[in-house]
Amino acid sequence: EVQLVESGGGLVQPGRSLRLSCTGSGFSFGDYAMSWVRQAPGKGLEWVSFIKSKAYGGTIEYAASVKGRFTISRDDSKSVAYLQMNSLRTEDTAVYFCARAPPAGGYTYPPIYFHYWGRGILVTVSS
Amino acid sequence: DIVMTQSPDSLAVSLGERATISCKSSQSVLYSSNNKNYLAWYQQKPGQPPKLLIDWASTRESGVPDRFSGSGSATDFTLTISSLQAEDVAVYYCQQYYTTPLTFGGGTKVEIK
Repeated sequence: EVQLVESGGGLVQPGRSLRLSCTGSGFSFGDYAMSWVRQAPGKGLEWVSFIKSKAYGGTIEYAASVKGRFTISRDDSKSVAYLQMNSLRTEDTAVYFCARAPPAGGYTYPPIYFHYWGRGILVTVSS
Repeated sequence: DIVMTQSPDSLAVSLGERATISCKSSQSVLYSSNNKNYLAWYQQKPGQPPKLLIDWASTRESGVPDRFSGSGSATDFTLTISSLQAEDVAVYYCQQYYTTPLTFGGGTKVEIK
């Protein structure tokens, strides 16, 4: 059974940093692109970042709202994806979901949508 | 950026009746080289993470009841629940994965009338 578990959330002051972790199990972690998606309280879904598998160069992309402040990374030996969040703003307050992409399926440019999701973890940025 | 616009924002449907949700993209998400629409639908129940229902605009995920169906192409898509059940109360989102930034529609809340 595929499982994704987020950790590292909490309350942080504006301008400070936080690192989220996403631990995967039940699948070959290194074979899949991993993403972060967030949801502000009472709002819709917003894609944050993804990192492709090493087979696809480990390509990384970010939403404009977090580019330059957030850094995604992965440690396939530990089956963990990370989201380092720096210079946090009040508008970054949200539940952060980790999500796994579908199998690459031999595509030259594998599709990145969200096949499996973690339960999410709350990040609150407030003074 | 591709803007995804869902309508309506909410709808109330009687049990057993049809619910129809529209999703329009600001540019085509149909990839001509493989004739596939890069469009997914998700269901999110209160207090839960989203769940993938449909990918490639019309392919139902394993285990998703066949009362859920997706249709459409290029810029206009529809999610239909053919006979609404109580457990279908949720917010539904479309998402394009044609290009980055990956973008979601604003969501449609489905309730029981």
